[in-house]
Amino acid sequence: GAGVSQTPSNKVTEKGKYVELRCDPISGHTALYWYRQSLGQGPEFLIYFQGTGAADDSGLPNDRFFAVRPEGSVSTLKIQRTERGDSAVYLCASSPRARFEQFFGPGTRLTVL
Amino acid sequence: QKEVEQDPGPLSVPEGAIVSLNCTYSNSAFQYFMWYRQYSRKGPELLMYTYSSGNKEDGRFTAQVDKSSKYISLFIRDSQPSDSATYLCAMSGGRSTGGTSYGKLTFGQGTILTVHP
Repeated sequence: GAGVSQTPSNKVTEKGKYVELRCDPISGHTALYWYRQSLGQGPEFLIYFQGTGAADDSGLPNDRFFAVRPEGSVSTLKIQRTERGDSAVYLCASSPRARFEQFFGPGTRLTVL
Repeated sequence: QKEVEQDPGPLSVPEGAIVSLNCTYSNSAFQYFMWYRQYSRKGPELLMYTYSSGNKEDGRFTAQVDKSSKYISLFIRDSQPSDSATYLCAMSGGRSTGGTSYGKLTFGQGTILTVHP
C-alpha cells in the first residue's frame, strides 16, 4: 500500500517568509509525528498527534512553529517568519497508534535563503 | 549534553566483516530501544527494537541493551554492500514521564556505514 507522503519534496524560501509543509499519513494510522533533521544529525522530535489533538508538542522550538491535523488524517506544519537556521529536512511519520514503530515519509527539504 | 550520544563515524568495512554500532544515553526513563536505518534521501525505517535490557537477534542483526550502563549496541554479521546506510539509535519512554512519551523518539546522531565489496 501507499506509504507516508510529504509535499513539497523541496521548498526554497526567503528569510522572513511563511511556509506550510504537508503530510499524508498511511491510511488508518491514528498517530502522526513531525521531526526535523539537520545535516549530519539524527531526527529531532517536534510534535505528535493522536487523532486530531497534539499529544506531545514539547519539541516545537518556539512559537513560530505550529502544526495542525484538523480531521485526524492530513497534517500541516506551519513555520512563520522563517530563519536561516530553520533549513533542514522535515520528516513526517505515522503509526497505527502512538508507539515507537513509526513509518517515515521521504521528508521535505526546506532551504531558507 | 545530548540525551543520546552516538559515534557518527564514518565506518568503512569490507564485505563479510562484523560491524558494531553503539549508543549511550542519560535518561533513565527510556524503556524502548530501537535501531533505524536510513538510506540517502529517504526516511528512516525501523530495523529492530528491544524493550528494557537484554538481547534480540534477527537474522544477521543482534541488538543488545544494558540499562545498568545506559549502553546499547547493534551488531551486524556477514555485512553486505546493501547494508551501507546511516544507522540511527532511538529511544522512547513507556509513559509520559521524565521528558519522554510513547510517541516521542529521541535519536542519536547516526553512524554512516559503508560496506565495500
